[in-house]
Amino acid sequence: DAKTTQPTSMDCAEGRAANLPCNHSTISGNEYVYWYRQIHSQGPQYIIHGLKNNETNEMASLIITEDRKSSTLILPHATLRDTAVYYCIVRSRDNYGQNFVFGPGTRLSVLP
Amino acid sequence: IAGITQAPTSQILAAGRRMTLRCTQDMRHNAMYWYRQDLGLGLRLIHYSNTAGTTGKGEVPDGYSVSRANTDDFPLTLASAVPSQTSVYFCASSDSRGRRGHGELFFGEGSRLTVL
Repeated sequence: DAKTTQPTSMDCAEGRAANLPCNHSTISGNEYVYWYRQIHSQGPQYIIHGLKNNETNEMASLIITEDRKSSTLILPHATLRDTAVYYCIVRSRDNYGQNFVFGPGTRLSVLP
Repeated sequence: IAGITQAPTSQILAAGRRMTLRCTQDMRHNAMYWYRQDLGLGLRLIHYSNTAGTTGKGEVPDGYSVSRANTDDFPLTLASAVPSQTSVYFCASSDSRGRRGHGELFFGEGSRLTVL
């Protein structure tokens, strides 16, 4: 599965949009982009995933570039409870879960 | 719906002792996983099971064993604990065959293990 690159940390003001980038330049055609987050001491939580179209759910939006080499997770109105480590993962749906490789992620701090 | 339940929540264990971390899911997911998380090293896969009766090794399997006698339960055993196994352990499950959802992982709340 393709590797991803994310910034180590980011800050965002409460109430503003948080835009978390992820580079996955070696992504292949059948690989999806998944986003998870981990709030301190809790288990990671699934946020959203996509293949090539932009996706939106109640938690976030996922914008994938046309060449699929990068993506951005958008939290439209960040709250203090969104402070967490955010993981971007690419993997094929055909693969079993052993290929969910969690990198160091981006530590997002939402500031009051 | 409970999702995934892990037990114990935390445990202090003497080196050399045997320990089993329990994991139960009620989502009828075919696949289950054990990860450990250490400061600065992120989440690393220990063992996985794609279906009841089968298991496989992940990135860091040494010192651990698992079994999958049925769909719901996936215990992780440390036969003889060592201090380097001090970590937070997360169990996860997924419907990896994609019949429901898209194979995303669902995690338990973790078991904090300290080996002295």
